[in-house]
Amino acid sequence: AQTVTQSQPEMSVQEAETVTLSCTYDTSESDYYLFWYKQPPSRQMILVIRQEAYKQQNATENRFSVNFQKAAKSFSLKISDSQLGDAAMYFCAYRSAQETSGSRLTFGEGTQLTVNP
Amino acid sequence: EAGVTQSPTHLIKTRGQQVTLRCSPISGHTSVYWYQQALGLGLQFLLWYDEGEERNRGNFPPRFSGRQFPNYSSELNVNALELEDSALYLCASSLAWNYGYTFGSGTRLTVV
Repeated sequence: AQTVTQSQPEMSVQEAETVTLSCTYDTSESDYYLFWYKQPPSRQMILVIRQEAYKQQNATENRFSVNFQKAAKSFSLKISDSQLGDAAMYFCAYRSAQETSGSRLTFGEGTQLTVNP
Repeated sequence: EAGVTQSPTHLIKTRGQQVTLRCSPISGHTSVYWYQQALGLGLQFLLWYDEGEERNRGNFPPRFSGRQFPNYSSELNVNALELEDSALYLCASSLAWNYGYTFGSGTRLTVV
């Protein structure tokens, strides 16, 4: 079974600064997807960024980028120019590329990000 | 376009009772997923429905069940509620199993 670990329960950053959230995972599969989701106090899970394991290029979405290290099974999220609206719980998630198990997301424990003005 | 809608938003039940949670997916999405987010336990996969059929199930007891209707909306039923069932229940939908999810805002269930 796959596992996802986020070793930082809480992080804080100053507005306009850069912060990196860590995520490691364990899998025996070679093809899979990795995600970062954001959960603000409104409770809705919002997709921040997605990475396909077969792609060597790191995904980027505006101020959000990832550092995907497949051999190390590491998938960190970098938030540049942090804004107050970035404050939320961030979850790293894994999904298999196989249909039977690929329907489900396996989540890490989450990292609570605080942005200080 | 309306997002994934869940009802009710909050619910308080007594131990031993039964509860039904509802989810309406985004129009055109045929897959519906249920997750439990309990305090201290993170998000746990409960159920996946696609085209009216249960396709996959997480490690939960049989008193957690559900169904998907012809219009692709879904219900999650929990029988014989226990205190540890208190959690946020999130529903998500997607076009197909290998497409991205869109989550609803969840139903907060409190069992007393």
